[in-house]
Amino acid sequence: DIQMTQSPSSLSASVGDRVSITCRASQSVSTYLNWYQQKPGKAPYLLIYAASGLQSGVPSRFSGSGSGTDFTLTISSLQPEDFATYYCQQSSSTPRTFGQGTKVEMK
Amino acid sequence: QVQLQESGPGLVKPSGTLSLTCAVSGAPIISSDWWTWVRQPPGKGLEWIGEIYHGGNTNYNPSLKSRVTISIDTSRSQFSLRLSSLSAADTAVYYCARGPPPRTPAGFDSWGQGTLVTVSS
Repeated sequence: DIQMTQSPSSLSASVGDRVSITCRASQSVSTYLNWYQQKPGKAPYLLIYAASGLQSGVPSRFSGSGSGTDFTLTISSLQPEDFATYYCQQSSSTPRTFGQGTKVEMK
Repeated sequence: QVQLQESGPGLVKPSGTLSLTCAVSGAPIISSDWWTWVRQPPGKGLEWIGEIYHGGNTNYNPSLKSRVTISIDTSRSQFSLRLSSLSAADTAVYYCARGPPPRTPAGFDSWGQGTLVTVSS
């Protein structure tokens, strides 16, 4: 199985901050890497596909980068609705594993 | 706009079997998509359970493979999950989702609302 490790596990930030979350795969996943946002009591929501593709309807303040084993999700200017938990997920091979999540909290 | 809706019992007994169904609407279940189950224990992260293609091909998480069966009924536009030999560790919110074919540059773009299944006597 490919293990996905996110860092940090949590972070505190203010509205307007630039926020970055990293995801590392235990072996190369090329660019088969997706990012999701999840709010309490809700299903995950696809933000970024194929490492850097912005899913339709997702604000442009979200961006993704990376390839191989190292990836980054960046929120350029944090908005109140962005406080949530973020997960990376690889779709290079089965099982299609998720990272453990990064909780973005209000400072 | 594809919609997915999970249904099934919210309480099951230890050593029993969980059975959930996901109804698909707004898009054909016969497509290039793979239909997926993901679960999330309370306060924890997401775990991929497995997936099925309309032709019946399946992939399962090795950690659950001995206990999991995913099936599909294209005539009813729904797919199902069975998980046997349940323990408290299987208590979770279970989601169904639409996924891309393997090694396709896409993610799980549609999800059900999730259903909480509690394993308790």
